[in-house]
Amino acid sequence: GQNIDQPTEMTATEGAIVQINCTYQTSGFNGLFWYQQHAGEAPTFLSYNVLDGLEEKGRFSSFLSRSKGYSYLLLKELQMKDSASYLCAVGDSNYQLIWGAGTKLIIKP
Amino acid sequence: ETGVTQTPRHLVMGMTNKKSLKCEQHLGHNAMYWYKQSAKKPLELMFVYNFKEQTENNSVPSRFSPECPNSSHLFLHLHTLQPEDSALYLCASSQDRGTLVYEQYFGPGTRLTVT
Repeated sequence: GQNIDQPTEMTATEGAIVQINCTYQTSGFNGLFWYQQHAGEAPTFLSYNVLDGLEEKGRFSSFLSRSKGYSYLLLKELQMKDSASYLCAVGDSNYQLIWGAGTKLIIKP
Repeated sequence: ETGVTQTPRHLVMGMTNKKSLKCEQHLGHNAMYWYKQSAKKPLELMFVYNFKEQTENNSVPSRFSPECPNSSHLFLHLHTLQPEDSALYLCASSQDRGTLVYEQYFGPGTRLTVT
């Protein structure tokens, strides 16, 4: 079967750095996506990796290792507004997204 | 209007009611999706329309039926629902070119409660 694993919840301090991991087992691979979802709101697209390595976008970076079936989202200089759920999703061989259950990130002052 | 809109935002219905959820995208995309989001569970893909073809998740009960009259509008018709169908229903759209997976843009969702 297809499976995406990510931690259920993480806590971090304002101004710090946090890394949210995602491991996947899917039939085929057509890219890995990270989304942010604030409580009661729609998921919004953060990043996309299709090749191995690190993609940096401001305070957020995403890393991919296809051989290990592994990705992480790195958030730097954490702000209170970063409190949200972070969803990992992988494009499978049918070009559909398989989703993880999300990681709820709590930022403390 | 921008992005993806959904109406209604909240819906309470009895198990014998019939209702419809509406989604409209203003992004010029050619693919639209219905997802079910339950607490602490992965997003569950219910239906996909791209290039006017419908793809569905075979585990979706027949009490949910989609309709896609054109590439900008998507409906989800609901009838004789069960309490376990209470969830957030999200609509999304993307530009599907058939050879890659592109990011999806989501609407704000309809919070459905079945009593």
